[in-house]
Amino acid sequence: KAGVTQTPRYLIKTRGQQVTLSCSPISGHRSVSWYQQTPGQGLQFLFEYFSETQRNKGNFPGRFSGRQFSNSRSEMNVSTLELGDSALYLCASSSATGGVTEAFFGQGTRLTVV
Amino acid sequence: GQQLNQSPQSMFIQEGEDVSMNCTSSSIFNTWLWYKQEPGEGPVLLIALYKAGELTSNGRLTAQFGITRKDSFLNISASIPSDVGIYFCAGPPSGTYKYIFGTGTRLKVLA
Repeated sequence: KAGVTQTPRYLIKTRGQQVTLSCSPISGHRSVSWYQQTPGQGLQFLFEYFSETQRNKGNFPGRFSGRQFSNSRSEMNVSTLELGDSALYLCASSSATGGVTEAFFGQGTRLTVV
Repeated sequence: GQQLNQSPQSMFIQEGEDVSMNCTSSSIFNTWLWYKQEPGEGPVLLIALYKAGELTSNGRLTAQFGITRKDSFLNISASIPSDVGIYFCAGPPSGTYKYIFGTGTRLKVLA
């Protein structure tokens, strides 16, 4: 079956702009999580959605937001971009129903803020 | 906050050698996951562990869930050049769906 799909793969934005990233999970998976990966901070958890509800949130400012649709697809939005937001943004999906299961990652969206 | 300490940070080994790396947590985990990431790609799940003391293999890879539930180990036997990458441990602290990742072990294999 198809894996996790993230679009776009690459993005270049200017400081102050906003950006929306998209993630389509593996068919049947209802949990979608987002992570930011940078050389300095490693993989940092942003938030997790399950059945259209945000279930967990990491320690990121309110400029980072997300949502999940009824078909489990998820979007992540970053407003008022800063240079430090340049990173690889990864989405992971899992079936996570009642218990914790494996998370499968997409290839990521490489965001560069100039 | 929660942290996963992974060691070593990097390893340079000769092809054919065995590799060991480990991950320790300040709190109990009910699940340990090991991932490999190659440049420009997302992490790929290698092994999942669900029970303290569990030993699981995936080809040349073997991982163990420590009996204290605060650590895990990954071994790679007879390394080959395509084993190059960054290996991450990860897990959700007990009672959460929020995965914490280790700092990664960067592996380089010299042919």
